Amino acid sequence: QKEVEQDPGPLSVPEGAIVSLNCTYSNSAFQYFMWYRQYSRKGPELLMYTYSSGNKEDGRFTAQVDKSSKYISLFIRDSQPSDSATYLCAMNWGGGADGLTFGKGTHLIIQP
Amino acid sequence: DGGITQSPKYLFRKEGQNVTLSCEQNLNHDAMYWYRQDPGQGLRLIYYSQIVNDFQKGDIAEGYSVSREKKESFPLTVTSAQKNPTAFYLCASSPPGRADTGELFFGEGSRLTVL
Repeated sequence: QKEVEQDPGPLSVPEGAIVSLNCTYSNSAFQYFMWYRQYSRKGPELLMYTYSSGNKEDGRFTAQVDKSSKYISLFIRDSQPSDSATYLCAMNWGGGADGLTFGKGTHLIIQP
Repeated sequence: DGGITQSPKYLFRKEGQNVTLSCEQNLNHDAMYWYRQDPGQGLRLIYYSQIVNDFQKGDIAEGYSVSREKKESFPLTVTSAQKNPTAFYLCASSPPGRADTGELFFGEGSRLTVL
């Protein structure tokens, strides 16, 4: 079963706020979790990559994976207008290229 | 600069015509992919190739064809058999040893509109 749920938004927050983006999934075999950022009319770019459960931090971005709840999150601290984009979660069970499943993306707007 | 180049960026096609979208990469990646993106839907895999002269169908291969004659190139043909071809098409590649995890480098995309 390939199913990933992601709220499409839009999510609008003021500059400087902490943003929380989330995805839920149903396939317990997923073990690789990614967040991609996609600006309008551009290709996605890999933002964060996490293997299995736990947290990973990179600058203002923190990715969390809770495999017991089948729930992943991306937190953005001190949000900037340049963070306005669509954020896609993606996950894979590791069995091959066709195992990658994307969420539909959350459209984020940071208001100056 | 290393990267993935897709062309054309915008393409208009009349119904019944085949069109070919170009994808070239200079990242020395073995694995390459084609995805389709529609509003309100996640990325859907059309075709992928793990190695030269070999490719596999993805979830929505009907009405599409590909070739992989060179490591750097993975063109996608949208045929007249594709019933709803208007979409944003994304080409991607994966670093060696990362194809199983899903770490992808994407091109800028090609927007195809059928008139």
